[in-house]
Amino acid sequence: EVQLVESGGDLVQPGGSLRLSCAVSGFTFTNHWMHWVRQAPGKGLVWVSRIKSDGSITDYVDSLKGRFIISRDNAKNTLYLQMNSLRVEDTAVYYCGRSRDGGSYFDYWGQGTLVTVSS
Amino acid sequence: DIQMTQSPSTLSASVGDRVTITCRASQSISSWLAWYQQKPGKAPNLLISKASSLESGVPSRFSGSGSETEFTLTISSLQADDYATYYCEQYHTYATFGQGTKVEVK
Repeated sequence: EVQLVESGGDLVQPGGSLRLSCAVSGFTFTNHWMHWVRQAPGKGLVWVSRIKSDGSITDYVDSLKGRFIISRDNAKNTLYLQMNSLRVEDTAVYYCGRSRDGGSYFDYWGQGTLVTVSS
Repeated sequence: DIQMTQSPSTLSASVGDRVTITCRASQSISSWLAWYQQKPGKAPNLLISKASSLESGVPSRFSGSGSETEFTLTISSLQADDYATYYCEQYHTYATFGQGTKVEVK
């Protein structure tokens, strides 16, 4: 059974940092690009970042470049998102997602982890 | 950046109704479009990829069509389990979601 389990969400002050993790199982992690997608409370879905199966290519939504860093540890079957200089508007549920066929659409998602940025 | 515009934002319908949701891309995306269903407090669920390819396990009352810049998701006969929010997503260039269409009880 394919499983993606996010962790690391928390309440953090503006300007702080947080690292999210997504532990996967049930499939060959090294065969898939992986992504982060976020959803602010009551709002729509926003793609955040993606990383190639071997970690050699990373991409970000323009508005987040320079503050967020995606990475993966293929030996641990785990995806990460390092979030720095956090702002109130980064408050959201963060989902990790697996993409298929090399296309950036998501056939499996985690349950999400909530990041709240507030003083 | 490619922008995706969904309409309507909210749709009121009854069980048994035929429901159509439209998604427009700001530039041609060929058929690189997916549709998702999301229920409150849950992660989205992939319904359709490549504009019209139904995912395994998704009921056949769901269908997708379109290409280039105009796409539709159709539910042929709405069921109680279909009340949810639906999102389109282009994956021609990175990924961009539409703003969502909430299907609610009429």
